Amino acid sequence: SAVISQKPSRDICQRGTSLTIQCQVDSQVTMMFWYRQQPGQSLTLIATANQGSEATYESGFVIDKFPISRPNLTFSTLTVSNMSPEDSSIYLCSVGQVKGADTQYFGPGTRLTVL
Amino acid sequence: LAKTTQPISMDSYEGQEVNITCSHNNIATNDYITWYQQFPSQGPRFIIQGYKTKVTNEVASLFIPADRKSSTLSLPRVSLSDTAVYYCLVRGGSTLGRLYFGRGTQLTVWP
Repeated sequence: SAVISQKPSRDICQRGTSLTIQCQVDSQVTMMFWYRQQPGQSLTLIATANQGSEATYESGFVIDKFPISRPNLTFSTLTVSNMSPEDSSIYLCSVGQVKGADTQYFGPGTRLTVL
Repeated sequence: LAKTTQPISMDSYEGQEVNITCSHNNIATNDYITWYQQFPSQGPRFIIQGYKTKVTNEVASLFIPADRKSSTLSLPRVSLSDTAVYYCLVRGGSTLGRLYFGRGTQLTVWP
């Protein structure tokens, strides 16, 4: 398995500002993913962040709005830029292929409220 | 990518067996069926995965008929702590490890 931590766990931000969310894993993993879960909704994949390559964004998400860094095999950041109230969501990171297993492990999430 | 359809909500009582069925009519040959569980204020947690027939682990069983167009997650003797959202997902080579979540099934277990 993998233990994933996220910082901050929650934040309240003003519109127009940016927030960087950190994701730390206790083991080296190749595949990391970022998801968004809007209130009362399911999870939506934002992007895939594999170490050594540029992040791959899903339809509807762009790098200017959600820049991602993946400096090493245990860490990634997601920035939510120029925030608006519509960005209020829970942001989750996950990791895949831990020790070759198909299972994905999810972090606890970052609850973001934009005023 | 195969779309999944599952009931929005289900209710059960403690000690009962719960079966949640998911349809995935367009599943591809190399796709697997995966189920995740999510409690409030937590990230999803892997429950079980299968390709065909039956898979069982310490938490649940997964039944997949021969045509693989549907699957049933079976939770034996549920307790209050099994109240959660259950997601059925189809994943395979085309998704490259990515997970695409549907709406999920809110299971509520009553005393």
